[in-house]
Amino acid sequence: ETGVTQTPRHLVMGMTNKKSLKCEQHLGHNAMYWYKQSAKKPLELMFVYSLEERVENNSVPSRFSPECPNSSHLFLHLHTLQPEDSALYLCASSQDLGEFHGYTFGSGTRLTVV
Amino acid sequence: TQLLEQSPQFLSIQEGENLTVYCNSSSVFSSLQWYRQEPGEGPVLLVTVVTGGEVKKLKRLTFQFGDARKDSSLHITAAQPGDTGLYLCAGEDSNYQLIWGAGTKLIIKP
Repeated sequence: ETGVTQTPRHLVMGMTNKKSLKCEQHLGHNAMYWYKQSAKKPLELMFVYSLEERVENNSVPSRFSPECPNSSHLFLHLHTLQPEDSALYLCASSQDLGEFHGYTFGSGTRLTVV
Repeated sequence: TQLLEQSPQFLSIQEGENLTVYCNSSSVFSSLQWYRQEPGEGPVLLVTVVTGGEVKKLKRLTFQFGDARKDSSLHITAAQPGDTGLYLCAGEDSNYQLIWGAGTKLIIKP
């Protein structure tokens, strides 16, 4: 399978639940990203990994915890979320950091916190 | 804080019409990318422009990077329903970060 695959596509969770989002790419890319997309707002960069090491954390609340076990997989662990965390969470990859021949995005996980 | 402003925020036109959407900033970018995002999907890269004044064409879509590399436009000729989507621009700053616009939601009515 090519491209970036995200699972699940949809997730509804209570504020006390713990869940994880998964992202997988088989493009041979070295950089992976988590973005949050809310309606009518620019994409918000959450986390950046390069060669499995975290290189950026844009002051994201600790209730979001990323994990990158290898260069093909990226997880976002969620716990005690708030309703305002409801959004589309997008995973992306690029050949390398600062490699602006473009990002390849997954289809996203639509998260609803109730 | 660097900002990329996209206009209009929303545009609904009839099939066959022409349109232009804009992406403006007070900051200079090393490059600028345009993406299209369809409902339920992630953004898909359309083009990257790098040189000031550069023009790139992708079938009926024409992309231009401003001479000063602070702004860009996307012109669509004879729009079709398949052009419907959210158009996003993103500029690369001097720290290799991508700065994103909020998008233009385009609807082409048959």
